[in-house]
Order: sequence, then structure tokens, then C-alpha cells
Amino acid sequence: GNSVTQMEGPVTLSEEAFLTINCTYTATGYPSLFWYVQYPGEGLQLLLKATKADDKGSNKGFEATYRKETTSFHLEKGSVQVSDSAVYFCALTSSNFGNEKLTFGTGTRLTIIP
Amino acid sequence: NAGVTQTPKFRVLKTGQSMTLLCAQDMNHEYMYWYRQDPGMGLRLIHYSVGEGTTAKGEVPDGYNVSRLKKQNFLLGLESAAPSQTSVYFCASVRGGPGTQYFGPGTRLLVL
Repeated sequence: GNSVTQMEGPVTLSEEAFLTINCTYTATGYPSLFWYVQYPGEGLQLLLKATKADDKGSNKGFEATYRKETTSFHLEKGSVQVSDSAVYFCALTSSNFGNEKLTFGTGTRLTIIP
Repeated sequence: NAGVTQTPKFRVLKTGQSMTLLCAQDMNHEYMYWYRQDPGMGLRLIHYSVGEGTTAKGEVPDGYNVSRLKKQNFLLGLESAAPSQTSVYFCASVRGGPGTQYFGPGTRLLVL
């Protein structure tokens, strides 16, 4: 079956530091990969996605590249801000449309200190 | 355009009581999902629906029932609540494309 393994948190960084949150996956077929973000007290929001190998998803300064050879989708940001403090979830689905069921990692809590 | 809304935001139940959580979306989405979020376990799919009048089991369906009588609403029922059902419940709907799910703000449920 499908599974997602995420870097365990919590992660604490200083403002303007470089961020990497590791994500690896196991899936049948050709999954699509996602990063969702959950700000305090809110639901999840899609941060970025990639639907095929070597694709790079990007949004709000965050990037992740779909690496089929290493089954990874690591999240990076060059200079984090206090407002990036949130929980980040890596996820995948092996359906391209219709009956998508997302498989989530356990989440990584990120705290940025000024 | 309110997106995905959930009612109630917070509820306390006693063991054995029943309740219904309501999810509503105004985006005309076909697919809707109920998840529970527990510490250290990410989100787990309870039930989902691929259209009005249809429902299917997810990863952790035991103790829950669902109904999708109207396209915009997806109800999650607990017939006899147990402390193990203490959790945060999220509803989501799909606009289109692989996995672009839109989430509601969540319902925090405490079962004593």
C-alpha cells in the first residue's frame, strides 16, 4: 500500500534560516505528491504539488522536487519567516482524477523564532 | 464564497451519546471526505463520497456513519461515542486535479 514518511519534528529555526523538511514515500504506480500546511487553529491548505517525476512544485518561496529515483519530495525554503510557523504535511495520491484518496505523513511542526 | 464550513467547532460528549457533524461546501465539488487528526498520526480517512447519494469506507470507518443526501453536504454521525473518538475532525472536498482538496476549519470533539 501507499505510505509517506516525514521528518519528525518539532523543528525550530531562527528567522532567515534555510529550511529542509524531508519526505519519502512508498507507492504503487505513478503517484502525485503534495505538501499541505496547517496554520494554528485552521484546516489544511495546499502549499504545492508535483504530478510527475522531476517536476518542481513551488509556492510562497517553498519548493519541492519530485525525485522518483530516491522516492522523495523534500520541502525547502531559502529564508524562513516567523509567519511560516505551522505544521507541514507531505501527502500522496495514486489516482490522477476522480476517486483520489490522499495518504498523509504524520506532519512536522515548524517554529520560527525572531 | 465560504468554501468548506464545518458545524460545530467544538463539542463535548459523554460516552454513549450520539451526534452529527455537518460539512458544507459551496464550490459544487463532487467528492467529499471526512478525516480525523490525532497527535503523531497525521490525518486518517474515515469515509468519503464521490457524489450525491454515494458513500464509501476509508481507513478507519468503525464507529462512524455518513450520508450525502445533497451534493453540498456531507454528514458524519457517531451513534455511540467512545473516548477513542476524541479527535479533531476535518472535512474536505475536491475541486479538480489530483489531490487538490479544500479543507474545512475542523471540529474538535472530546468524549468523556
